[in-house]
Amino acid sequence: EVQLVQSGAEVKKPGESLKISCKGSGYSFTSYWIGWVRQMPGKGLEWMGIIYPGDSDTRYSPSFQGQVTISADKSISTAYLQWSSLKASDTAMYYCARQAPYGDSTFDYWGQGTLVTVSS
Amino acid sequence: SYVLTQPPSVSVAPGQTARITCGGNNIGSKSVHWYQQKPGQAPVLVVYDDSDRPSGIPERFSGSNSGNTATLTISRVEAGDEADYYCQVWDSSSDWVFGGGTKLTVL
Repeated sequence: EVQLVQSGAEVKKPGESLKISCKGSGYSFTSYWIGWVRQMPGKGLEWMGIIYPGDSDTRYSPSFQGQVTISADKSISTAYLQWSSLKASDTAMYYCARQAPYGDSTFDYWGQGTLVTVSS
Repeated sequence: SYVLTQPPSVSVAPGQTARITCGGNNIGSKSVHWYQQKPGQAPVLVVYDDSDRPSGIPERFSGSNSGNTATLTISRVEAGDEADYYCQVWDSSSDWVFGGGTKLTVL
């Protein structure tokens, strides 16, 4: 069974750093792109970026380029999303999702989400 | 950048048909995917490539795409279909793009 399991909720202060994770299982982790999606409170889905764990090829949405870093450790089938200096506006739910082996750039499996709260 | 436009809300009575639209410039030339998100849950793919359904998704969910509008159609709507629905495409200039979402209310 394909699963993406994300790390738990985080509460941070502005200016702090953070790295959240997404562990894949039940499939060949290195063979599928993993995307990150932001959902701010009460708002819609926003694509942030995507990584191919096989070779760490990474693409970012222009809206998030330079604001976050996406990485992956294929030895432990885990993708990461990190911030070096959080802002209050980073408060949101963050989802990882696997790009499907079918369809044209769609996401078939999603993690349960990681809630990040940034508050002083 | 490529923009997808959805109506904020759609309401339908149980047993009726709900149609949720997704507008975009020449969207008919792209593959459109639809996700269902219930409160407190992660999104679930319900239609991909305009009109295909992943395994386990009821036949009541269908899609179409032509010109500047794609449509998700939910037949014989049930109370359990109440959720937010998002369309999504891949665009060469914008990469992965989501619509703003539509809240489906079952009256």
